[in-house]
Amino acid sequence: QKEVEQDPGPLSVPEGAIVSLNCTYSNSAFQYFMWYRQYSRKGPELLMYTYSSGNKEDGRFTAQVDKSSKYISLFIRDSQPSDSATYLCAMSVDWVQGAQKLVFGQGTRLTINP
Amino acid sequence: DGGITQSPKYLFRKEGQNVTLSCEQNLNHDAMYWYRQDPGQGLRLIYYSQIVNDFQKGDIAEGYSVSREKKESFPLTVTSAQKNPTAFYLCASLGQRENTEAFFGQGTRLTVV
Repeated sequence: QKEVEQDPGPLSVPEGAIVSLNCTYSNSAFQYFMWYRQYSRKGPELLMYTYSSGNKEDGRFTAQVDKSSKYISLFIRDSQPSDSATYLCAMSVDWVQGAQKLVFGQGTRLTINP
Repeated sequence: DGGITQSPKYLFRKEGQNVTLSCEQNLNHDAMYWYRQDPGQGLRLIYYSQIVNDFQKGDIAEGYSVSREKKESFPLTVTSAQKNPTAFYLCASLGQRENTEAFFGQGTRLTVV
């Protein structure tokens, strides 16, 4: 079993729809949770970052972490064609506990249709 | 502007050759990482380094080597022992502070010809 599981999609939705992207994980030591957006043939860019449990909102994007269920989500409201990309979740353990190693999900390819 | 710079953007290698991919950051980050990305497989960790002159193997280190002589630089050498080196290589750095965020370079696409 992989430490982080993410449905690779592809996921295709109409413009304006609410998009829900999810990851599950098995390592209860993860404390830092990130979502990256990657356009084709580019490096990933940090989209959202959350420490421990809870919600975080930034414009049209909302990140949720449920540590009891080992489940994280990214919601995109009023989706736009420019949101079409691959979305990667990433996690890491607490820095002070030792060498920090990022663990990534497989990535979900999202297409927003005009 | 602070950031991570990878070079070259595209690299072609002949069978049996070693090639070195460059990664430089001016973010004053302690930790640096090399990942390999193949279609449909997400990012897989090759090597990472937390401090100068120290580095650890990741999940797929065979056929690769690294060095960390300076905080700003973490070059990756793809050796002839790597049997399937054609891939997209990504370098990342991570700051050691409470709001830990990892930043990526724009990647190097390596093709064996």
